[in-house]
Amino acid sequence: SYELTQPPSVSVSPGQTARITCSGDALPKRYAYWYQQRSGQAPVLVIYEDSNRPSGIPERFSGSSSGTMATLTISGAQVEDEADYYCYSTDSSGNQRVFGGGTKLTVL
Amino acid sequence: EVQLVESGGALVQPGGSLRLSCAASGFTVSSSYMSWVRQAPGKGLEWVSVVYSDGTTYYADSVKGRFTISRDNSKNTLNLHMNSLRAEDTAVYFCARETFGDFFYMDVWGKGTPVTVSS
Repeated sequence: SYELTQPPSVSVSPGQTARITCSGDALPKRYAYWYQQRSGQAPVLVIYEDSNRPSGIPERFSGSSSGTMATLTISGAQVEDEADYYCYSTDSSGNQRVFGGGTKLTVL
Repeated sequence: EVQLVESGGALVQPGGSLRLSCAASGFTVSSSYMSWVRQAPGKGLEWVSVVYSDGTTYYADSVKGRFTISRDNSKNTLNLHMNSLRAEDTAVYFCARETFGDFFYMDVWGKGTPVTVSS
């Protein structure tokens, strides 16, 4: 079955840039999406279709994708950005959805 | 306001069955793509199943043949029928609406309902 691979953890100091990567063989043909999940809460979409930011998401969140890797960038990370981040996409058929394993972002 | 509220989570014995429901408001379930996603304790998100607006369904390999996704159009509700439950099915189950940009993605989530499979 199709898999998306993320680093388990990323740590930055407040104000630094955090980058979280997601690799998958179908990403050249499929969009990547990014969800933020704070402890005990439902996921929240922060980036859609590789690089678009939903309304209400701070401008410090951005996304990019090249080849088999998508990247979520948080420029000037803040303490409130501490959360788990999941990339999401589909397999080459477009029918099987898949989440990456998640990355725990620590900002301190 | 667009909202999803899951219900039906419970403690169930291995081999047992359970039906989860997801009540939608602010939009029509039958006109939407709808997914179930689960999260085992301390683990990541796992997609479980999707139903398209035309009724086509897809399942993760881990639940295929045991779980069935369905809709109750009269109640504007999404359901997940779970049979032959195993300990590894223990998780919080979320329902999510999928919206379409250039492709479908989950834009609205419920708060989840917990399922525990244990004797």
